[in-house]
Amino acid sequence: DSGVTQTPKHLITATGQRVTLRCSPRSGDLSVYWYQQSLDQGLQFLIQYYNGEERAKGNILERFSAQQFPDLHSELNLSSLELGDSALYFCASSPPRQLAGGPGQFFGPGTRLTVL
Amino acid sequence: AQKITQTQPGMFVQEKEAVTLDCTYDTSDPSYGLFWYKQPSSGEMIFLIYQGSYDQQNATEGRYSLNFQKARKSANLVISASQLGDSAMYFCAMRETNQAGTALIFGKGTTLSVSS
Repeated sequence: DSGVTQTPKHLITATGQRVTLRCSPRSGDLSVYWYQQSLDQGLQFLIQYYNGEERAKGNILERFSAQQFPDLHSELNLSSLELGDSALYFCASSPPRQLAGGPGQFFGPGTRLTVL
Repeated sequence: AQKITQTQPGMFVQEKEAVTLDCTYDTSDPSYGLFWYKQPSSGEMIFLIYQGSYDQQNATEGRYSLNFQKARKSANLVISASQLGDSAMYFCAMRETNQAGTALIFGKGTTLSVSS
């Protein structure tokens, strides 16, 4: 168990709909990252928040948005869903310093989104 | 330009044999971190091993070792004494600048199949 939690584990919805994925980072971690893993694009970085503020953006579509709340949990909002948005969405968090020999980031179990 | 290249889509190995999974990277940053993650069929991302660009020795973690050749920009993962439970997808990842609050860039992964 990495200490990062994500809900829900699975989500099935229809095209055109909007969904919200939720992530709680490890205790003490201020950075939250969202990644998308799809068959054609592989594992892609979407967006990062640090202590409530957006820190970096990757290949995130305009239909997607995220935020990090004062309690440090984060939500990823996906709207006007398309079939191609079906993917495994990971949240990860990182400590302020690289742990000796340790992971750069701790990954949650992921949310599997299926758009029908 | 692709930053992390894993050229082996699939690898096959017999139990108890060693296997090397290839990874090359591209960066102009002198400070970077290299990571390997394992993703079993259940989907979670499991951290295996980390190597910092300034680390003098190759990282080792149990049956995993990282063959770091800086001049060749390669960071191959060596798994010794393969086990059936090693069957999974393996991802090489890089963090440029090697600061804790930087996103990871992933390769496309290698699927490892271990047979008895």
